Amino acid sequence: EDQVTQSPEALRLQEGESSSLNCSYTVSGLRGLFWYRQDPGKGPEFLFTLYSAGEEKEKERLKATLTKKESFLHITAPKPEDSATYLCAVTNFNKFYFGSGTKLNVKP
Amino acid sequence: NAGVMQNPRHLVRRRGQEARLRCSPMKGHSHVYWYRQLPEEGLKFMVYLQKENIIDESGMPKERFSAEFPKEGPSILRIQQVVRGDSAAYFCASSPDGTGGFGEQFFGPGTRLTVL
Repeated sequence: EDQVTQSPEALRLQEGESSSLNCSYTVSGLRGLFWYRQDPGKGPEFLFTLYSAGEEKEKERLKATLTKKESFLHITAPKPEDSATYLCAVTNFNKFYFGSGTKLNVKP
Repeated sequence: NAGVMQNPRHLVRRRGQEARLRCSPMKGHSHVYWYRQLPEEGLKFMVYLQKENIIDESGMPKERFSAEFPKEGPSILRIQQVVRGDSAAYFCASSPDGTGGFGEQFFGPGTRLTVL
């Protein structure tokens, strides 16, 4: 069954404590993997697109990587304003598959 | 370039009434997706439309729900005879024309539907 699984469901970090969020997928024929950030009461905000294994993208404290089975969103020295739910989505050019998200809470 | 626009942002309906949710995609985007999100849950795909065509409605409930994306004007998600279980946030996303509809999606702010 084609699906996307994100872990952990929730993550609490101290400010400055680096960590990684995982997105694993069993979708056949991957054509693109997307990361989004969603703040409470708002729509998801696009962060990155990754197309092939080995690809990496960076933006400020965030770095996304992709292998053949999973993607990681690495957060380096996070700040409280990085607190949000991070969503992963995969497309095989037939459908989009969204994970349930990782809720990140960064304490000052 | 304005982002994806949705209106209304908040909608309150009594059971049995109709709800109409509107979505204007970004300029240059003719692919529109609708999602439903319950509190503390993920996005659930409902329908994928292009101008004047429904491409995939596999996530739409068979009854009471319909969607359209006319040649002119916004995409509309219509819920007839609403029930309390329809209360949720409904998000619209659009995707650029050059990606065949499967490039990155850009989301609107959502419409929060409350059914009393």
